[in-house]
Amino acid sequence: GAGVSQSPSNKVTEKGKDVELRCDPISGHTALYWYRQRLGQGLEFLIYFQGNSAPDKSGLPSDRFSAERTGESVSTLTIQRTQQEDSAVYLCASSLDYSTDTQYFGPGTRLTVL
Amino acid sequence: QQQVKQSPQSLIVQKGGIPIINCAYENTAFDYFPWYQQFPGKGPALLIAIRPDVSEKKEGRFTISFNKSAKQFSLHIMDSQPGDSATYFCAASIDSGAGSYQLTFGKGTKLSVIP
Repeated sequence: GAGVSQSPSNKVTEKGKDVELRCDPISGHTALYWYRQRLGQGLEFLIYFQGNSAPDKSGLPSDRFSAERTGESVSTLTIQRTQQEDSAVYLCASSLDYSTDTQYFGPGTRLTVL
Repeated sequence: QQQVKQSPQSLIVQKGGIPIINCAYENTAFDYFPWYQQFPGKGPALLIAIRPDVSEKKEGRFTISFNKSAKQFSLHIMDSQPGDSATYFCAASIDSGAGSYQLTFGKGTKLSVIP
């Protein structure tokens, strides 16, 4: 079956512009996560969605970052007024539900802020 | 902030060798320890995982050893192959009570297996 998909695969933007990154989770997966992977670093948790519950936003680095999810499907991560330090690969993962540990990752969106 | 410390940063072994990657954690509440494998341009993929109630788990050529008292766990790759060349991440998670299995990752180990 189809895995987690993300778009775009690459995004180059200018400092100060807003960007939107999209994630399509595996069908039927109710839990969705966003992570950030800086060059040479591990993944940093950003935000978690589970069904209709309030999202866990504890990992968002600043108020320039926000994310939405429509029901149990697509999610978008928005970064406003991008800064050079926002350059990273943004990874989305989904899991069957909140009680399941296994997270399946998408290929990521490589964001470059000039 | 919860941390997982991973070593070494990079590792080069000959084909057939047994690379070992180590991780240490501080938070004793962690109850799930997965290893992820990541190839260039791809997202991480779950390789193998262990819970604190066992000291070792094997899946094919991959083995996790877990030492609860030392708060350490390691990945061993038996009979390593060039196709195992990738970046490996250890991670740990805890049920935050809100149902969130937020993963805390190590910084990764880049493994190169030379033919």
